[in-house]
Formats: sequence, C-alpha cells, structure tokens
Amino acid sequence: DAGVTQSPTHLIKTRGQHVTLRCSPISGHKSVSWYQQVLGQGPQFIFQYYEKEERGRGNFPDRFSARQFPNYSSELNVNALLLGDSALYLCASSSSIAGGQETQYFGPGTRLLVL
Amino acid sequence: GDSVTQMEGPVTLSEEAFLTINCTYTATGYPSLFWYVQYPGEGLQLLLKATKADDKGSNKGFEATYRKETTSFHLEKGSVQVSDSAVYFCALIGRMYSGGGADGLTFGKGTHLIIQP
Repeated sequence: DAGVTQSPTHLIKTRGQHVTLRCSPISGHKSVSWYQQVLGQGPQFIFQYYEKEERGRGNFPDRFSARQFPNYSSELNVNALLLGDSALYLCASSSSIAGGQETQYFGPGTRLLVL
Repeated sequence: GDSVTQMEGPVTLSEEAFLTINCTYTATGYPSLFWYVQYPGEGLQLLLKATKADDKGSNKGFEATYRKETTSFHLEKGSVQVSDSAVYFCALIGRMYSGGGADGLTFGKGTHLIIQP
C-alpha cells in the first residue's frame, strides 16, 4: 500500500504570495495533521483534521488554513507568505483522531522556500 | 504546555558502539511517547512508541522505556551501524479532549547521530 503522499516536493515563492500544499493519507486513514519543520528544529503542529472537521490547531497565525476533502485528502494554504515561512511542511495521517495510542505516519514533506 | 527536551548533537560514535540519546518530557496526564527518525532529505519514520508507564518500545535493535517517575524515554541501542546515521526526534502526544479535540505531536529539537566506520 502507498504511504502518505505530498505534492509538490519543492516550491519556491516570493514574499506576499499564496501557496497551496496537498496531502493524500494512507488508504483507510481518516485523520490528517500538518506540521512545519524549520531547518534544524523539530516539527511544530499546525492543524489536525478528522472526518473533514478541524479537531486541533497549533500556535500559528490566521494566514495558515487547511481543509479536508470527502476522500480524506487535505490541503494546507498559506497566505501573505513571509521569509520565515520557509520550511519543510509535513503531512501525517492516522486511522483515527490522533491522540493517545494512535500513531501518525508521515509523508516525505514539501520544501517551501520564500524569497 | 507540553514540552520535550532531548540531548543536542551532533553525537558521533564509532560503529558497534553503545548508543544512548536522552529524552525527558513535561506533560499533563499520561501522554504517549514516540521516537521518530529522519534520514537526510526524507520525512519522519516512526521508530518505536510506548503508550503507558513501564512500557518498552523496541524496533530494529533500538529500545526505549517509558519512565513516569523520571519523565524520561531514553533511546538505546547496543551496537550501532553506519546506516543508523540520521536525526532522531523524541515526541509525545497527549490524550484527546473530552469534546473530541486533539493536539498534535510535540517534538524535541532532534539529535543528529553520526556513526563512523
């Protein structure tokens, strides 16, 4: 079975632009979470979606938004890009809402560079 | 809030040496604990996990024991190989909220492990 897939793999944008990142979870998984990993740091939690509803949100500004589609794939949108948004964006899926014993499985990430 | 502290690297060892990477945490309640590994240019792979006190997670020769009394989850391996060179992340996740909400994983900053032949 395919793992978590993300697209695109790399992206270059300029300040002020908007970006959309996409994620397809493992088949049968209904929960998708998004993380931002700045170079040299651990990933930071942005959002969790389960059954197309937002179930958790990290400490990120409103420029960050996401949604989950009926097939459980997800998009992360970032508006008004800043240089500090340059990072590896990771998507993770789990079979149920992540918490407690649920394991999250990560995709390869999308590397975003903001110039 | 929840936090994870792990030893910062790089940690450089010779092949077949014993490995310990320390990890301590702060969290309310009884979190689940994880070790993830990240190879160069790749995403995160789950290495092992433990969901309650005194549980031992193990995989590929790596082990870690959930110690509630010391709030620790140290990663160990008896004999490392060059192929173990990677960045290792300790992480935790709390329980779900009563309203069905949930937080994500809280990660440490990562430990870069370098194994020399």
